[in-house]
Amino acid sequence: AQSVTQLDSQVPVFEEAPVELRCNYSSSVSVYLFWYVQYPNQGLQLLLKYLSGSTLVKGINGFEAEFNKSQTSFHLRKPSVHISDTAEYFCAVLYGGATNKLIFGTGTLLAVQP
Amino acid sequence: DAGVIQSPRHEVTEMGQEVTLRCKPISGHDYLFWYRQTMMRGLELLIYFNNNVPIDDSGMPEDRFSAKMPNASFSTLKIQPSEPRDSAVYFCASSLLGPEAFFGQGTRLTVV
Repeated sequence: AQSVTQLDSQVPVFEEAPVELRCNYSSSVSVYLFWYVQYPNQGLQLLLKYLSGSTLVKGINGFEAEFNKSQTSFHLRKPSVHISDTAEYFCAVLYGGATNKLIFGTGTLLAVQP
Repeated sequence: DAGVIQSPRHEVTEMGQEVTLRCKPISGHDYLFWYRQTMMRGLELLIYFNNNVPIDDSGMPEDRFSAKMPNASFSTLKIQPSEPRDSAVYFCASSLLGPEAFFGQGTRLTVV
């Protein structure tokens, strides 16, 4: 079955430290990959996406992610986090085919502490 | 563009009442999605439309839920009758051709 796994429900980190949020998906021939961010009481905002081409994708707010086909992963990274990065982060996958159905992970709460 | 607009932002209703959530997608977008977010189940896709036609409604939990898209600029999600377990945040999202979806700010529904 098609699925997306975010193993970490919460990641606490100190301000200015690096962070990695993990995302794995079930294997498929063709996938499109996304990271969304949700600030409190807000909708989801696209951080970055991988559709094709370079496996290292840069997004907004200094985030980047790397598509690793062999490990079926799309981990999100930031070298130095800020208090304002505190939010819920969702990995999402669109599996190739006729469907346009995004499948979301359960989310990871990034809690940045001073 | 103002983005995806949902109304109301908050809705409190009594069990058994009909609830209607509204969505205006981004102009020109041809896909519209309805999602539900709860602590227990995370983000679930309920239904999506392409060019106003429902494509996949397999996520609609029960017959109490229905969605319509009478034209390219408006969609509704209706729950009749509502139950306390329907309490959640409901998101509408739209996209143009490709898979990137733009989300509204959501409607927080509380059924008491």
